[in-house]
Amino acid sequence: EVQLVESGGGLVQPGGSLRLSCAASGFTFSSYWMSWVRQAPGKGLEWVANIKQDGSEKYYVDSVKGRFTISRDNAKNSLYLQMNSLRAEDTAVYYCAHYDFWSGLDYWGQGTLVTVSS
Amino acid sequence: QSALTQPASVSGSPGQSITISCTGTSSDVGSYNLVSWYQQHPGKAPKLMIYEGSKRPSGVSNRFSGSKSGNTASLTISGLQAEDEADYYCCSYAGSSTRVVFGGGTKLTVL
Repeated sequence: EVQLVESGGGLVQPGGSLRLSCAASGFTFSSYWMSWVRQAPGKGLEWVANIKQDGSEKYYVDSVKGRFTISRDNAKNSLYLQMNSLRAEDTAVYYCAHYDFWSGLDYWGQGTLVTVSS
Repeated sequence: QSALTQPASVSGSPGQSITISCTGTSSDVGSYNLVSWYQQHPGKAPKLMIYEGSKRPSGVSNRFSGSKSGNTASLTISGLQAEDEADYYCCSYAGSSTRVVFGGGTKLTVL
């Protein structure tokens, strides 16, 4: 059974940093692209970033470029999102998702809430 | 990286059929047969319902179907049931630099 478990969310002040983690199990983690998707309170889904199997390709939504970094550790079956220079508009539930080019975002974690506020 | 356009809400009675549209551009929906649809109940993670425009993952009811014409994709739910009441999001591959774009979401109400 595929499982994705996010952690690391919390309350952070504007301008601060936070690192999200996602522990994966139930599939061969190193064989798949992975993604982060976020959802602001009461709003829709927004794709944040994708990372290739070996970490050699990374893509970001324009609003987080230069501030967020997606990474992975295949030995630990883990995905990360380093978030710097956080803004109030980054407040959201952040989901880790298994991404397949053909089948899309086919497995999701339960999400972790990030709140940016003073 | 503009979002795909979906109606904010649709509604239908039990047993009826409804269709949710998802309009993109020639850079995303129109160029790739890689539209997926997600169902999200309140407080829950999204669930994949349709991929590659019209394919259903294992375990998804055949009451859910997808199609595409030009720059617009559609999700049809037939034989509406109370448990179908949820938010629905479309998503498309958008090329090598953008990768993924979502629609704004549609709230389905089963009357």
